[in-house]
Amino acid sequence: GESVGLHLPTLSVQEGDNSIINCAYSNSASDYFIWYKQESGKGPQFIIDIRSNMDKRQGQRVTVLLNKTVKHLSLQIAATQPGDSAVYFCAENKDNFNKFYFGSGTKLNVKP
Amino acid sequence: EPEVTQTPSHQVTQMGQEVILRCVPISNHLYFYWYRQILGQKVEFLVSFYNNEISEKSEIFDDQFSVERPDGSNFTLKIRSTKLEDSAMYFCASRSGPSTDTQYFGPGTRLTVL
Repeated sequence: GESVGLHLPTLSVQEGDNSIINCAYSNSASDYFIWYKQESGKGPQFIIDIRSNMDKRQGQRVTVLLNKTVKHLSLQIAATQPGDSAVYFCAENKDNFNKFYFGSGTKLNVKP
Repeated sequence: EPEVTQTPSHQVTQMGQEVILRCVPISNHLYFYWYRQILGQKVEFLVSFYNNEISEKSEIFDDQFSVERPDGSNFTLKIRSTKLEDSAMYFCASRSGPSTDTQYFGPGTRLTVL
């Protein structure tokens, strides 16, 4: 099956700094990607998505970059806040929206 | 804001017993999903459901698993004979329709099989 993995299991940043969380995917046919945030004891929360016909998408304080050449996805969080502390997952999908593959997650620690 | 709800929040059962995990998707949503997350591991897709039938299922979703939408609001996951390795968080998610990609997740049910 598809493999979606993350480069770093834990990322520690200072409050106010920018954070970059990376994700590699193996299925070059995947055409839709999502970043989720999961706080302790809660379900994944949608942050931002991107389709394969784009290489960048911006939201509120977050930007997702997609590099299809190297099958790499990143999530940039601007001015990281303590409330951003969570585990971040990327997920990929191909053809439809019925089956998603999740990465193993990166834990973001924001130090005050 | 509408949200996906799940009950119970924690279910403890003996190995070999049947369990039913319940979900109430967001009311106007048409696509439904179950995922599981073993402690410390990634979220794994189990099954997707649309128009009263399974759309996709993973290799995890074997004959011990079944899903049902018994009425207009509930979406259930049944495990017929639980195994120790079924212990995990089970998340339900829903999506509104073909023009919307975003899945909204519930808070999860923690299943503990003893």
